[in-house]
Amino acid sequence: DGGITQSPKYLFRKEGQNVTLSCEQNLNHDAMYWYRQDPGQGLRLIYYSQIVNDFQKGDIAEGYSVSREKKESFPLTVTSAQKNPTAFYLCASSPRDRTYEQYFGPGTRLTVT
Amino acid sequence: AQSVSQHNHHVILSEAASLELGCNYSYGGTVNLFWYVQYPGQHLQLLLKYFSGDPLVKGIKGFEAEFIKSKFSFNLRKPSVQWSDTAEYFCAVGYGSSNTGKLIFGQGTTLQVKP
Repeated sequence: DGGITQSPKYLFRKEGQNVTLSCEQNLNHDAMYWYRQDPGQGLRLIYYSQIVNDFQKGDIAEGYSVSREKKESFPLTVTSAQKNPTAFYLCASSPRDRTYEQYFGPGTRLTVT
Repeated sequence: AQSVSQHNHHVILSEAASLELGCNYSYGGTVNLFWYVQYPGQHLQLLLKYFSGDPLVKGIKGFEAEFIKSKFSFNLRKPSVQWSDTAEYFCAVGYGSSNTGKLIFGQGTTLQVKP
């Protein structure tokens, strides 16, 4: 089945540690996205990439970093500089000519204590 | 700043009742409008979309939405809800015609349908 996988489903880290969230897609989509979802705030865009080796900051990029070395993969690193990292993180992808029609993964719930 | 607002945070309905969820967005020129749905335990998925043309759009599972440009609104409707419609619903807006993929989401509305 084609789709987006995110691993792990739950992730726990101590404050001050960097952590990398995985996102893989086999939909052959060019564009990929990372969102953060907090209760009552909807989804907010962290980073997006429309093509391999290129990515742009979204609305809340501070404290996060990404890479896009392969079309299928778009890992997100939550650094120790992110002041409030505990959240639900969603990865998405879309065809390059229909970038608003995004397909979402199951998400990773990160808890930092 | 561009923003999307969903006024109903939590809606409880009985089966067969009619549904209307409000969505308003801030002015920003050309807009592309979407409703996404997240059923319990499932991925967020596209319910319906509007780019241009007929302002009344139909989506999956009997849902429809109407774009009213003068009101900056894109409300979601369903004449008769079912228990299986219990989910969280998100309105989203893509500003501009350049198709960057940047979506602005509303806060979400949790719909609970009682059997």
